[in-house]
Amino acid sequence: SQQGEEDPQALSIQEGENATMNCSYKTSINNLQWYRQNSGRGLVHLILIRSNEREKHSGRLRVTLDTSKKSSSLLITASRAADTASYFCATQNAGGTSYGKLTFGQGTILTVHP
Amino acid sequence: EAQVTQNPRYLITVTGKKLTVTCSQNMNHEYMSWYRQDPGLGLRQIYYSMNVEVTDKGDVPEGYKVSRKEKRNFPLILESPSPNQTSLYFCASSFVGAGVDEQFFGPGTRLTVL
Repeated sequence: SQQGEEDPQALSIQEGENATMNCSYKTSINNLQWYRQNSGRGLVHLILIRSNEREKHSGRLRVTLDTSKKSSSLLITASRAADTASYFCATQNAGGTSYGKLTFGQGTILTVHP
Repeated sequence: EAQVTQNPRYLITVTGKKLTVTCSQNMNHEYMSWYRQDPGLGLRQIYYSMNVEVTDKGDVPEGYKVSRKEKRNFPLILESPSPNQTSLYFCASSFVGAGVDEQFFGPGTRLTVL
């Protein structure tokens, strides 16, 4: 199943602008996580938001979660060239026999031009 | 240093030759997982383990085996590799609190099956 669909697939902005990426999912979740990946390297965890939370902040990152719409957004404010990377959302199933299952989206490629 | 290690980092092999990719973490994490990453498909979960001797299938388990005999190790076994298993593989681990927490990823193993 394609849980964790992201859009846009690619985003190109100038330094200093804000970048917003969206993630939609299909089933009930326990939490939703955002990760960053630089060019084929390992993923780095950015932020985790639980199903009973609506918004979370971490530095220049702001994540929202709308469980009624089964969607989340990641906002990066005042972007920098170093933010250029691929960004993925991942959802953890809410429970049942597949509680430990995590499903990643296809990712958004963010390019920040100096 | 807290880390997830994978070996080998690069492997070229031939169809049908059994291979094992090792994964080890030094953070005493309960949860470990294997993913494969293919262009345009994001990360797909192969198998995961909630704790020692507890493993379960992810989205794409066919052609793979895993075992979790010790908490720190979670090897991925390809009994008879085929060219469609050519991919970039990641191992990850995390604590299990209120859910699967932030995952720490290994550096990846690039596998080519000829």
